[in-house]
Amino acid sequence: NAGVTQTPKFRVLKTGQSMTLLCAQDMNHEYMYWYRQDPGMGLRLIHYSVGEGTTAKGEVPDGYNVSRLKKQNFLLGLESAAPSQTSVYFCASRGDGRTMGSYGYTFGSGTRLTVV
Amino acid sequence: AQSVTQLDSHVSVSEGTPVLLRCNYSSSYSPSLFWYVQHPNKGLQLLLKYTSAATLVKGINGFEAEFKKSETSFHLTKPSAHMSDAAEYFCVVSHFSGYSTLTFGKGTMLLVSP
Repeated sequence: NAGVTQTPKFRVLKTGQSMTLLCAQDMNHEYMYWYRQDPGMGLRLIHYSVGEGTTAKGEVPDGYNVSRLKKQNFLLGLESAAPSQTSVYFCASRGDGRTMGSYGYTFGSGTRLTVV
Repeated sequence: AQSVTQLDSHVSVSEGTPVLLRCNYSSSYSPSLFWYVQHPNKGLQLLLKYTSAATLVKGINGFEAEFKKSETSFHLTKPSAHMSDAAEYFCVVSHFSGYSTLTFGKGTMLLVSP
């Protein structure tokens, strides 16, 4: 089924470890986003990308890096995990609006990350 | 700049009674507005969206929302609550320019009692 796939779905890290979350979309969308969800905070934008090879900071970028080497993939990296990064991470993608129906956002099912 | 304020963190209703979840927004541009629902330990599901067409927007599962520019509001309503409506609801603002992003409210937890 077409959509956004996040890998992994769950992960437990120790403080200081590194990891990469993968977001893959098969809809040829230009725009991709990483959000984190924390209780009582809604979803907050970490980084986003407006096309292959581009990235930009969102509202809460500190402690994270991203890369968009291929149009269909958007990677979120944690170089040295901290307990404050315990959260649920959602990836989303959106088309550029030039074709019918391509304005809509599609969300992945989330990655639950715990840093101990 | 854009922002969203969900006026209630929790709303409790009885099954069969009306639901009202309140949302105010701020946007420098003509906004697009969304309501998403999230059931426990699940992903986000789009309920409805407003993108400058009709101001009364009908969504899935009997929900609807009315865009009121003069009040900068986009409240979500449903005539009769069902137990399955118990979930967290997010009001979201965006504008469809090239670099648009979604800005989420902090969420309203809807509790439905029998």
